[in-house]
Amino acid sequence: GAVVSQHPSRVICKSGTSVKIECRSLDFQATTMFWYRQFPKQSLMLMATSNEGSKATYEQGVEKDKFLINHASLTLSTLTVTSAHPEDSSFYICSATNRDRGYEQYFGPGTRLTVT
Amino acid sequence: GIQVEQSPPDLILQEGANSTLRCNFSDSVNNLQWFHQNPWGQLINLFYIPSGTKQNGRLSATTVATERYSLLYISSSQTTDSGVYFCAVEHGTGTASKLTFGTGTRLQVTL
Repeated sequence: GAVVSQHPSRVICKSGTSVKIECRSLDFQATTMFWYRQFPKQSLMLMATSNEGSKATYEQGVEKDKFLINHASLTLSTLTVTSAHPEDSSFYICSATNRDRGYEQYFGPGTRLTVT
Repeated sequence: GIQVEQSPPDLILQEGANSTLRCNFSDSVNNLQWFHQNPWGQLINLFYIPSGTKQNGRLSATTVATERYSLLYISSSQTTDSGVYFCAVEHGTGTASKLTFGTGTRLQVTL
């Protein structure tokens, strides 16, 4: 149980375009989903927290107009990187939890974004 | 904000050896998780351990919340144990609760 998927696993896009990444909880309802970013050989940094049906809460320094997060259902959250630039190239990882059953987070396999 | 430091940053072991990884955190926390990130980037949940000791096969973990540290023990290491080990502490309340990840320990197990 507690499986989280992400799509796509890898994406290459041109500078100035937008990219959407999907995160799905496959076998449980996720009251809360999180988006992290990880640069090579570094730790994971939380970008934002999204609760189903409400606006995402962004961490300090994360541009909410650039990283659009939607959590429209209890099994799906999306992250859209708008007007991508090469410095947005990174490994994006989502996680999900059901706060009615505890706070343990379960992680997706990640999406490697390369902006050329 | 809360600081989470892990040691050692890098570790090379010969197959069959044992090791202890440490996670120190700077403030009281609600919970603590240990993860293994495999070479493809997938984070695998190892332990959800706010306090006490848990064991799962060759791995065990101990958290001493009052002293703000946790330890992960790996016994009889195997090459498949290679990767990066992260601890992450949960802090905040209600919908503001979130995880802060440690700096990581990169483990390489050789034949």
